[in-house]
Amino acid sequence: QSVLTQPPSVSAAPGQKVTISCSGSSSNIGDNHVSWYQQFPGTVPKLLIYDNNKRPSGIPDRFSGSRSGTSATLDITGLQTGDEADYYCGAWDSSLREVLFGGGTKLTVL
Amino acid sequence: QVQLQESGPGLVKPSETLSLTCRVSGDSMRNYHWSWIRQPPGKGLEWIGYIGYTGIAAYKPSLKSRVTISIDSSNNQFSLKLSSVTAADTAVFYCARHHFWSGHHDYWGPGTLVTVSS
Repeated sequence: QSVLTQPPSVSAAPGQKVTISCSGSSSNIGDNHVSWYQQFPGTVPKLLIYDNNKRPSGIPDRFSGSRSGTSATLDITGLQTGDEADYYCGAWDSSLREVLFGGGTKLTVL
Repeated sequence: QVQLQESGPGLVKPSETLSLTCRVSGDSMRNYHWSWIRQPPGKGLEWIGYIGYTGIAAYKPSLKSRVTISIDSSNNQFSLKLSSVTAADTAVFYCARHHFWSGHHDYWGPGTLVTVSS
């Protein structure tokens, strides 16, 4: 069981908005930056969001991140079938002294 | 463009030591940390540890007794050794560039599947 808790799955229709949550504690999300990764089956994880809400070059603004207290969220608007993937949150934990990843959320675009 | 490439045996026997190397090209190894991350088949990501240019490393506490990460900055590469492996260590192993203050990993290698089996 991951220290960073994500819902196992979320779904929404094309064109809609979906929110993926990542719940942690004061020693990880509450104290450090959050990043988000997208992974298609059989491929390498790709950085989507860093420093809670920044997008690397080339990431569409349909993807946005936020952090509040000990939780973080990834919002995806204008859903496309090509967004179907697994999404992971990540953060450093100041108490455990390790990089944590959430358990991952499988996004289905209905 | 930064590129990372893992290399090493794809099959390791139980109780033996898993050894992998990650070659970094397109950038200096200074100013970043360099991580090993694994993903068992069908499961999520697990950080193993990272190392800095100076050779100072940090490891996942639950793996610390079995893990050693080293760096050869003159040849732009870093390595992972995981001892006393079991079937539970079977995974795709990724190397990745880690931003220390921000905590994110921006460049990843393609990954290499290591199977632990006799």
